[in-house]
Amino acid sequence: DAKTTQPPSMDCAEGRAANLPCNHSTISGNEYVYWYRQIHSQGPQYIIHGLKNNETNEMASLIITEDRKSSTLILPHATLRDTAVYYCIVRVTGYSTLTFGKGTMLLVSP
Amino acid sequence: DTAVSQTPKYLVTQMGNDKSIKCEQNLGHDTMYWYKQDSKKFLKIMFSYNNKELIINETVPNRFSPKSPDKAHLNLHINSLELGDSAVYFCASSQDGRGGETQYFGPGTRLLVL
Repeated sequence: DAKTTQPPSMDCAEGRAANLPCNHSTISGNEYVYWYRQIHSQGPQYIIHGLKNNETNEMASLIITEDRKSSTLILPHATLRDTAVYYCIVRVTGYSTLTFGKGTMLLVSP
Repeated sequence: DTAVSQTPKYLVTQMGNDKSIKCEQNLGHDTMYWYKQDSKKFLKIMFSYNNKELIINETVPNRFSPKSPDKAHLNLHINSLELGDSAVYFCASSQDGRGGETQYFGPGTRLLVL
């Protein structure tokens, strides 16, 4: 019962921007969009989250469409260390947990 | 100054044994979680505790028993280990378990049941 759809894999050249799309057409008004990533053999790492507005932090930018049915995670200058599986997750407020899908395997190449 | 730590990092054991995995967080968070990542790399929630009280229990066999002696610790005890329990187990914590805050994950415990 995945609530998000992501491409299984993407490639990006080092130094270029990586744009990772996510579809969440059934998102509810009280659900946030979260992005996590998992580098090989490590625990998932929080990247960014948002509700309606676009967000930016030191790691990435999150662009959410006006209808909130899709979003894009942008890594402005991808490095080799950004190679990881990236998970887009929608999550309700209140006591709840993260439901991870299959994510997108991003491979950053020299 | 590790935020969420787990011990052991690796655990190899025989079927039928009982084992425990420990998790500690020094972030002052109220909520802690256990996740399981199987061989197909799917990451699934198992339990969630808030201030030492069980909040979420996702259809996990009762061979798995979490214990939270205080809000900084959430241990996972597994009885009668089975081959299918082989996986990576991740502990996580968050401020109060409500929507809008992030979860911080530990490095994982790799369990192999032979």
